[in-house]
Amino acid sequence: NAGVTQTPKFQVLKTGQSMTLQCAQDMNHEYMSWYRQDPGMGLRLIHYSVGAGITDQGEVPNGYNVSRSTTEDFPLRLLSAAPSQTSVYFCASSYRNLDSGNTIYFGEGSWLTVV
Amino acid sequence: LAKTTQPISMDSYEGQEVNITCSHNNIATNDYITWYQQFPSQGPRFIIQGYKTKVTNEVASLFIPADRKSSTLSLPRVSLSDTAVYYCLYEGGAGANNLFFGTGTRLTVIP
Repeated sequence: NAGVTQTPKFQVLKTGQSMTLQCAQDMNHEYMSWYRQDPGMGLRLIHYSVGAGITDQGEVPNGYNVSRSTTEDFPLRLLSAAPSQTSVYFCASSYRNLDSGNTIYFGEGSWLTVV
Repeated sequence: LAKTTQPISMDSYEGQEVNITCSHNNIATNDYITWYQQFPSQGPRFIIQGYKTKVTNEVASLFIPADRKSSTLSLPRVSLSDTAVYYCLYEGGAGANNLFFGTGTRLTVIP
């Protein structure tokens, strides 16, 4: 049972480079999201998707793009990396039953350093 | 964002019961309260979820008063491995995109 899988785990980028963080989930969850976590801080929502073909912005979307072509995959693209994007990135998927709240499953994180 | 208020940090000795309280004054009628645990260099993981009164599972209990404007996570007999950051969340009536993690409560368990 893989859950939420993120790659790569570590990446160093030069300012201005672009890259894509991959995220896949095998739980058939409709809802997926990307968070960033800076040192000593909580998680902040970057982008989210409520289903294939549907994406929307979260709290800190600038400098990032997402797409959701399938239920399983939700890649995060950094268009032109900046040092301010140095952070740990977490992908997540979640579901909600009729008689419960949302339960979120997180990936193991991707450590990104922009120099 | 559905913001919560928690203590920034707490210390406890091994074997003690730890109670972490969270305030969520703007909770909506259909919101559940969920607590997550995060170890260093890992993503948060689900601990417990509840709507009202008391919920208990194999790792924790969650106490929610009638007005639901606060909740208390109770960890019985903590061990060193319970040292982590604990977050409480609710959706604020807007769904999972309105979740606010904040800085959580950093629990340090002392030998």
